[in-house]
Parts: sequence; C-alpha cells; structure tokens
Amino acid sequence: GIQVEQSPPDLILQEGANSTLRCNFSDSVNNLQWFHQNPWGQLINLFYIPSGTKQNGRLSATTVATERYSLLYISSSQTTDSGVYFCAVEQGAGTDKLIFGTGTRLQVFP
Amino acid sequence: GAVVSQHPSRVICKSGTSVKIECRSLDFQATTMFWYRQFPKQSLMLMATSNEGSKATYEQGVEKDKFLINHASLTLSTLTVTSAHPEDSSFYICSAKGASGLYEQYFGPGTRLTVT
Repeated sequence: GIQVEQSPPDLILQEGANSTLRCNFSDSVNNLQWFHQNPWGQLINLFYIPSGTKQNGRLSATTVATERYSLLYISSSQTTDSGVYFCAVEQGAGTDKLIFGTGTRLQVFP
Repeated sequence: GAVVSQHPSRVICKSGTSVKIECRSLDFQATTMFWYRQFPKQSLMLMATSNEGSKATYEQGVEKDKFLINHASLTLSTLTVTSAHPEDSSFYICSAKGASGLYEQYFGPGTRLTVT
C-alpha cells in the first residue's frame, strides 16, 4: 500500500519562528488533507489540497502532486500551534479512505 | 464547517464487558463514516468504513466480530467493542464524509477507552 512519511518527526520552536513541515507519499493520490491534532486529541481540518497552493492566515500549504509531496508552512508560530500535524492521503478514485502520515509533533515555547 | 460529535468522550470498563461509542454528524448527512484507532504517540489507523444501510468494510487485521459497527442513519454510526480486554484500551476516533461535493472528512473529538 501507499506509504506516507512526514518530516521532521519532532520540532521545537520559540514563539514567532517560522517552520516548514513536509509530507512525502509513495504513489499518486486523489486527495490530500492536513490536520492539526490538539493536545486533547481533536483533529482540526487545516487544508484540503490535492494540488496547488492555499493560504489561511498564518498557515499555507503547497502540494506538488507530480513529485508526490506536500508542504505545510507555519509563520509567526504561537504556543497554540503546539500539537501534532498530520497529512493524510486518499488513494484511488472512490475509495474515500484516508491513509495518515507519521505525524510531526510541534512544541512552541514562549 | 461540518461538526461531528462522539459520545462518550471517556469510558472505563471492566474486562469482558462491551462498550458502545456513538458518532454523529450534527449539521450534514454523512453517507460514509470511518472509525480509527490511535495508540499513544502514534498515527491514526483506519479500522473500518461504514456506509449508511450497508455492512461495514473492515481493514485487514481488524476483527469484525470484536468491533461491531452499525450505520443506521445518515447522521449516526456506532462502534461496539465486544468482550473488551486491556489491549483494546486506546483512543477511538470517528470521521464522516458527506455526499458528493463535500470532499473532506471531518473528525469527531475521540473517545478514550480504558479497559481494566
């Protein structure tokens, strides 16, 4: 099956710093989503981005489907950005199943 | 955005008993619901996919007789962990996807199950 790897696995930042999280996938995909899992376990939808670039406030994401990777940019990080960031891909039309990546654990300190 | 709820948020049960977890889509009709399991500091693992009115499709290695899934309506799916054992202790998360035109999955807040 498809492999979804994220890097780095852990990231520690001081408030105000910028960061880039990467998601590599081993096969072509129909759908890619980025999520933030907060310390209480809730997954929050960040982006639905099978291709192209999107921005939402301090966050932006880019997916280059032909090269099988996606990037999540966090600018001016805040302590509330702490948590685990997952990318998840849907492979094959009509499957609907999301395969989650390995995750990046982000800690932002004041 | 679309809202998905889960109940209970936390449950402790004795070994050998059964536990039911509910997943509801509050403001949209979910044609498909998914159940995931997450162990501490690990990623989410898909357990099964359920479509309203039909039998659930289980992922390889997931015991369908142990994890009973019912998707009785377009807004409700239930997961019943039967004859629970301590190794079933985990964080269970559901997600829901709407009809065509709604491409994203939306996730519930999760249920932490502890089996003693």
